[in-house]
Amino acid sequence: QLVLTQSPSASASLGASVKLTCTLSSGHSSYAIAWHQQQPEKGPRYLMKVNSDDSHSKGDGIPDRFSGSSSGAERYLTISSLQSEDEADYYCQTWGTGFHWVFGGGTKLTVL
Amino acid sequence: EVQLLESGGGLVQPGESLRLSCAASGFTFSNYAMTWVRQAPGRGLEWVSLISGSAYSTYYADSVKGRFTISRDNSKNTLYLQMNSLRAEDTAVYYCAEVDTSGSYFDYWGQGTLVTVSS
Repeated sequence: QLVLTQSPSASASLGASVKLTCTLSSGHSSYAIAWHQQQPEKGPRYLMKVNSDDSHSKGDGIPDRFSGSSSGAERYLTISSLQSEDEADYYCQTWGTGFHWVFGGGTKLTVL
Repeated sequence: EVQLLESGGGLVQPGESLRLSCAASGFTFSNYAMTWVRQAPGRGLEWVSLISGSAYSTYYADSVKGRFTISRDNSKNTLYLQMNSLRAEDTAVYYCAEVDTSGSYFDYWGQGTLVTVSS
């Protein structure tokens, strides 16, 4: 069964960097994922797609401070030079065989 | 600029029906699959349903299969979600999103419309 696992929360200081993790379930380590950001009281926003070969492609207007990477079954979202507006929920998402689309539980990022 | 604007949400009683709409602009609507995703209060995102660009193929989460119907009118650039036999657990903000050309990821989102199912 395809499952995406995320830590419920993370925190980092203003101006620092943070790396969020999304882990693919066993047998699905080759899957690409997408990262979405949801700021408080707003709809989600697509950030980027992260492939298993460590490449990533960002959505329109996504700042260079956001980057993606990959290692094994883990997919990462790194945000550098943290700003107050980066405080948000971050979700990973992918697509499974049998035509179903899956989200991770989300990580709530607090900027200190 | 891609814009997606949901409407049709509201308060309904259990067992009742509701139809959501999503008006799209800024892209060639018929070329893209579209999807509905919901978010219950204080919870994460849950995929609900997806429809191909031609409307030939539709897919549903098990939690809504048999009760919800996704459709689209490409002449009106509008996506729909007909929700029947609503339950309290269907209470959520419903978002429409454009699906990328690979059919795998959701690359533009609307702002959502709130559906509350309560007696």
